[in-house]
Amino acid sequence: GNSVTQMEGPVTLSEEAFLTINCTYTATGYPSLFWYVQYPGEGLQLLLKATKADDKGSNKGFEATYRKETTSFHLEKGSVQVSDSAVYFCALSHGIAGGTSYGKLTFGQGTILTVHP
Amino acid sequence: GAVVSQHPSRVICKSGTSVKIECRSLDFQATTMFWYRQFPKQSLMLMATSNEGSKATYEQGVEKDKFLINHASLTLSTLTVTSAHPEDSSFYICSARGGGAFFGQGTRLTVV
Repeated sequence: GNSVTQMEGPVTLSEEAFLTINCTYTATGYPSLFWYVQYPGEGLQLLLKATKADDKGSNKGFEATYRKETTSFHLEKGSVQVSDSAVYFCALSHGIAGGTSYGKLTFGQGTILTVHP
Repeated sequence: GAVVSQHPSRVICKSGTSVKIECRSLDFQATTMFWYRQFPKQSLMLMATSNEGSKATYEQGVEKDKFLINHASLTLSTLTVTSAHPEDSSFYICSARGGGAFFGQGTRLTVV
């Protein structure tokens, strides 16, 4: 079955530090890959996504590249801010548009990021 | 982008009572919605797939008689936690399928 593995947290960084959160996946075929962010007490917000190999998703200074050869989708940001403190989830969707599994997500365990001033 | 509204955001109920959580797609129609449960400091686990006009599909280990799902219209799915117990306390999140997966803001259920 599908699975997603994220690096264990929590991750604590100083403001303006470089961030990497590792994510690897197991799936057959060609899943779409996502990073979601959850701020304290809130639901999930889509941060970025990539739908095919070598695609790079980017948003708010965050980036992740779909690497099929290493089955990875690591999240990076060059300079984190205090406001980036949140829980980050890597996820995959194996369904194709119109298929019954489309929109159904398998999540990693989440990584808590805390950024100090 | 597409908006999904979940209500209530927080609810406290007594043990043995039932609680209904609503998930609405505000600006698009969603024939399929998903319900997830998130335990403290853990990931989201898919509970069930809600299909408009038909029965929900539950994941293995999820009690369908305890977690009743109704998807009566193209914009609304409800999850009812019946005879709630303290172990049902959790964060419940819905998502609606509409060109992607769009999440509601979640419902924090506390059963006392």
